Amino acid sequence: GDSVTQMEGPVTLSEEAFLTINCTYTATGYPSLFWYVQYPGEGLQLLLKATKADDKGSNKGFEATYRKETTSFHLEKGSVQVSDSAVYFCALNDAGNMLTFGGGTRLMVKP
Amino acid sequence: NAGVTQTPKFQVLKTGQSMTLQCAQDMNHNSMYWYRQDPGMGLRLIYYSASEGTTDKGEVPNGYNVSRLNKREFSLRLESAAPSQTSVYFCASRETGQGYGYTFGSGTRLTVV
Repeated sequence: GDSVTQMEGPVTLSEEAFLTINCTYTATGYPSLFWYVQYPGEGLQLLLKATKADDKGSNKGFEATYRKETTSFHLEKGSVQVSDSAVYFCALNDAGNMLTFGGGTRLMVKP
Repeated sequence: NAGVTQTPKFQVLKTGQSMTLQCAQDMNHNSMYWYRQDPGMGLRLIYYSASEGTTDKGEVPNGYNVSRLNKREFSLRLESAAPSQTSVYFCASRETGQGYGYTFGSGTRLTVV
């Protein structure tokens, strides 16, 4: 079946550092890929998505590129802020009605 | 532009009590979902409804029931609450078709004592 694997957290960075959160997936078809962000005490919000190979999703300074050859969708940001502290979830949809989520990666950004 | 609205936001129950969590979406989405999220853990699917009039079990359905009242509303009922059901519950909805993600509600924080 489909699965999503994310790097274990927490990831702790200083403000203005470069961020990478790794995400790899297993799917039988050609899935759409998503990153969600969950701020403390809130629900999950869609951060960005990509629907086909080599697409790059971007939003709020975050980017992720759909790499079919390595089955990856790593999240990157060039300069993180304290306000980016949150839990990040990678997810995929492979033609069915549901999304498959990774376990989440907590990011902590220190001033 | 409400999106997905969940009520209540917080609830404390005693073991054995029952309650219904309400969820409504105003985006005309066909599919709706209930998840639970335990501390430090990811999301686990309880039930989902692919369209009005249908419901299906997810990964952890025991102890829960659902009703898809109409296209907008999808409720989750705990008939006899147990401490193991202490969790944060999220409702989500989704447009039909690949390429669409979920829109989540803000959650219901439930404590069973």
